[in-house]
Amino acid sequence: SYELTQPLSVSVALGQTARITCGGNNIGGKNVHWYQQKPGQAPVLVIYSDDNRPSRIPERFSGSNSGNTATLTISGAQAGDEADYYCQVWDTSTALFGGGTKLTVL
Amino acid sequence: QLQLQESGPGLVKPSETLSLTCTVSGGSSRGSVYYWGWIRQPPGKGLEWIGSINYSGSTYHNPSLKSQVTVSVDTSKNQFFLRLTSVTAADTAVYYCVRHVSARSFDYWGQGTLVTVSS
Repeated sequence: SYELTQPLSVSVALGQTARITCGGNNIGGKNVHWYQQKPGQAPVLVIYSDDNRPSRIPERFSGSNSGNTATLTISGAQAGDEADYYCQVWDTSTALFGGGTKLTVL
Repeated sequence: QLQLQESGPGLVKPSETLSLTCTVSGGSSRGSVYYWGWIRQPPGKGLEWIGSINYSGSTYHNPSLKSQVTVSVDTSKNQFFLRLTSVTAADTAVYYCVRHVSARSFDYWGQGTLVTVSS
């Protein structure tokens, strides 16, 4: 079965750029979606279909996808971006999530 | 603004059936392109998709849970439902109801409801 691999944790200094990866076999051939989840809250969609941002999401969130790695990039990370981030794809009519990455803003 | 709200018992005994309802309000998402699904998250763990259904009754299920799961819809009440049979402690989780367009992103989420399986 298809698997998505994310680092358990990523740290970034305040105002710097954070990159969170999502690995999968030829993931570049799939649409990747990203969710942000803060403690005690429901996940929020931040990037859909690789590199599209919902209207309510700040421009500092961007995405890319190629080969075996998809990446969520947060430019100028803020304290409020500290959260868990999950990637998600569909494979043979099944929705799959990565294990999640905890982003710490230092 | 579309809103989804889960409801149901917060405590279920082992071997019994977990039943949840999601009520959809606001917006208009009655076309068959829209799917209504369930995702769960055990305490301190990641997200797991359970299954989805559209207003025409077409369904998707997570193969790992398929034998336990029934997802159904009542279009007249703008509600959809989850039934999970023969539950164990491993089914303890926050359960979210969600909307998605076919095999795309989950764009609307309910606030989630914690269901604990315990005697």
